[in-house]
Amino acid sequence: QKEVEQNSGPLSVPEGAIASLNCTYSDRGSQSFFWYRQYSGKSPELIMFIYSNGDKEDGRFTAQLNKASQYVSLLIRDSQPSDSATYLCAVPNAGKSTFGDGTTLTVKP
Amino acid sequence: EAQVTQNPRYLITVTGKKLTVTCSQNMNHEYMSWYRQDPGLGLRQIYYSMNVEVTDKGDVPEGYKVSRKEKRNFPLILESPSPNQTSLYFCASSPGRDYEQYFGPGTRLTVT
Repeated sequence: QKEVEQNSGPLSVPEGAIASLNCTYSDRGSQSFFWYRQYSGKSPELIMFIYSNGDKEDGRFTAQLNKASQYVSLLIRDSQPSDSATYLCAVPNAGKSTFGDGTTLTVKP
Repeated sequence: EAQVTQNPRYLITVTGKKLTVTCSQNMNHEYMSWYRQDPGLGLRQIYYSMNVEVTDKGDVPEGYKVSRKEKRNFPLILESPSPNQTSLYFCASSPGRDYEQYFGPGTRLTVT
């Protein structure tokens, strides 16, 4: 079992829809969770981070964390074609940082 | 402008020829890290450093060396590159361990 797993994708949604990206992790000691967006040929950039159970909203993005289920998700509301990218879930612990393989999202106009 | 820089951005080399990829950050960050990204394998951590003179192995350290003599610089050294080290390499920095990371633009390395 991988330490950080993401839904395999690719994921395609129509413009204006909600995109839901999921991530599970195996290390119960993890305390912080990050979502990065990576456009093709570019470097990852931070979208959201979450430390506490529950929801965290930032504009069109909502991160959800459930530590009991070891599950973190990212919702993108009102998806735009510019949201088309690969989304990486990252779970660091004591300096080591593990990334999921990423979910590629395509938003169709 | 706050940034992480890497050089070179592209490099083609031959097996066994030592090379160094430089990484520098101007954000006074404590933590720095190197990753490689390969199709189907995702982003994997090579080495990380939580402070000057402190480095630790990530998941794929074999064939790589690093040093952290100054806070701002964290070079990646391939003493004897092999074709299986052909990859896209990213350097990243962070205010501290387990915080958000800021990535450099990447270095695409080809070893023939």
